[in-house]
This record gives sequence, structure tokens and C-alpha cells, in this order.
Amino acid sequence: EPEVTQTPSHQVTQMGQEVILRCVPISNHLYFYWYRQILGQKVEFLVSFYNNEISEKSEIFDDQFSVERPDGSNFTLKIRSTKLEDSAMYFCASGGGGGNQPQHFGDGTRLSIL
Amino acid sequence: GEDVEQSLFLSVREGDSSVINCTYTDSSSTYLYWYKQEPGAGLQLLTYIFSNMDMKQDQRLTVLLNKKDKHLSLRIADTQTGDSAIYFCADSYSGAGSYQLTFGKGTKLSVIP
Repeated sequence: EPEVTQTPSHQVTQMGQEVILRCVPISNHLYFYWYRQILGQKVEFLVSFYNNEISEKSEIFDDQFSVERPDGSNFTLKIRSTKLEDSAMYFCASGGGGGNQPQHFGDGTRLSIL
Repeated sequence: GEDVEQSLFLSVREGDSSVINCTYTDSSSTYLYWYKQEPGAGLQLLTYIFSNMDMKQDQRLTVLLNKKDKHLSLRIADTQTGDSAIYFCADSYSGAGSYQLTFGKGTKLSVIP
């Protein structure tokens, strides 16, 4: 069964540095998403991406964050000037589009900011 | 904004049925989902239901939806130790066509052998 893959599984970075989290969505999916889960808290929506542009973003997704689909397969989340509070599990998801084509999630990248 | 609420913990004996409950506030939710998260792993889609349905059954899983009360439940029949995990309820909000999910905090299911 096709799956969403994320790399790396764990990223440790010094505060203030930039990180890029990578995702390979399911190949025939059209919608791509990033979510994050701070330890012990809810999974929160960050951003959705469709047709090579952001379709929606949450209040969390400020100028510190950006997303890109540099080629036909990868979908990346860049976090600039990382802060301690950016430490979380970041999940990538992809969906075929429409609520009846549910989102499938990757295993996540655990981001630790020191 | 929309909110999804779940009880945080549930403990059942192996072989019994588990019922995990969820309430949501967004009356425009079109699809509601259950995801399972095992320790250190990602979110595994278990099942989902369209808002005009009352019930959906998939092997050991039964989803019940009461749209009037905005209440969703997941029943796991013959619960096994491998079912121990955190179960997340989520609803699908179609804003600008992106179908973002709003999650509950998750219910930790512990299965006692």
C-alpha cells in the first residue's frame, strides 16, 4: 500500500538555525499538509498546499515557516530561526482531495531545538 | 473556531469491547475520522464516516455518528492487547477547499491482559 514517507525521523538543531523537513507524499495525491504535535498536546494544522501554492494556513504558520514542492515528489517544510517552542513532532499528510479521500500521514519528524 | 473533545483515558480487559467517545462543535463537518497512534509512530487512519451516515462497520470497528448531538463513537469489538494505543478523533473542515483536520487530544486505550 502506498505510504507517505518523512525524513529525517529525528532532527536536533541549535536554536536560531534553519531546518528543512522533508516528505514524499503518495504519488497520485493532490493535497499536501503539514501538522505538528507538541508533546502532550493536540495535533495542530499548519498549512495545506494544492496546485503548487498554499491553499490555507493556520495562525501558527507565520513568516518563520515556508513550504515548497521543489520537484514532482518532495514536499518540504522550512523553519527559519528556530525557537525552543518549535520542538514538536511534525507530520506530513497527503490526500486525494475531497473529504471522501482521507488524509494519510507519515510517521513524523521529531524536531528537538536545543 | 471548531473544537473536538475526547476523554483522555480508557482501560478495558482483553476480549471486552472498547467504546471511545468524541464530541465536535463544527456543524459543517462533512467527514469524521478515527486515527490510531502507537508509541513513537505516526497517525494510522482507521476509519471514517460521512456526516449523512449514522453508522459504519469495518470488521471489529463500528463507528456511530449522532449528528444532532455532534457525537461520534468508535467501538472496538474483542479488544486485543495490540489495540493499546492513542485514538484520535478528527473532523474535516473544508476551508478554501483544503479539508484540514481538527483533532481531539486523543484517548489513550490501555488493554489489560
